[in-house]
Amino acid sequence: DTGVSQDPRHKITKRGQNVTFRCDPISEHNRLYWYRQTLGQGPEFLTYFQNEAQLEKSRLLSDRFSAERPKGSFSTLEIQRTEQGDSAMYLCASSYLAGDYDEQYFGPGTRLTVT
Amino acid sequence: LAKTTQPISMDSYEGQEVNITCSHNNIATNDYITWYQQFPSQGPRFIIQGYKTKVTNEVASLFIPADRKSSTLSLPRVSLSDTAVYYCLVGELTGGGNKLTFGTGTQLKVEL
Repeated sequence: DTGVSQDPRHKITKRGQNVTFRCDPISEHNRLYWYRQTLGQGPEFLTYFQNEAQLEKSRLLSDRFSAERPKGSFSTLEIQRTEQGDSAMYLCASSYLAGDYDEQYFGPGTRLTVT
Repeated sequence: LAKTTQPISMDSYEGQEVNITCSHNNIATNDYITWYQQFPSQGPRFIIQGYKTKVTNEVASLFIPADRKSSTLSLPRVSLSDTAVYYCLVGELTGGGNKLTFGTGTQLKVEL
């Protein structure tokens, strides 16, 4: 089973450093989402792609966050000049929108700790 | 943006049916209702999705009244392994992420 995979699973970084996370979606899925989740809260939408096009970003997303999905396959999420408030679980999900049905498959997440 | 309200927590016992209700008073015409389950340190997992009336799959049923202002996830005969957080999600399927909002979820605890 080649579900959604994320790398790394854990990342510890110092404040001010840049970090990059990778997500490999299920191969035939055309949609890819990034979410952030903090303890006790539900996932918070960050951005999403349809194929290689980034169609939407959260209005709350800082300019320090950027995401790419070259060739409509894997995606990367970069956080520049990390802050302690960026500490969270970063989740990636993919789906294949077909008519009136859309099921997102989530990866295991990357846990970021900013010290 | 359809805001959802769910109970913070629920307790049940093995073998019982559990019904979790989600309120979404300002649901829009094009919004669908989706439920996800999440275990600690894992990503959410899709349970069921619907637009109106009743939807059933191998693990759950989703009841949506005619006014669509609420929905109820029904888990038949729960087991210990159903202890998890359950999220109700309301949004367009084609409109993209900003219209998809996870709330704080319902922590379901199943005991023997």
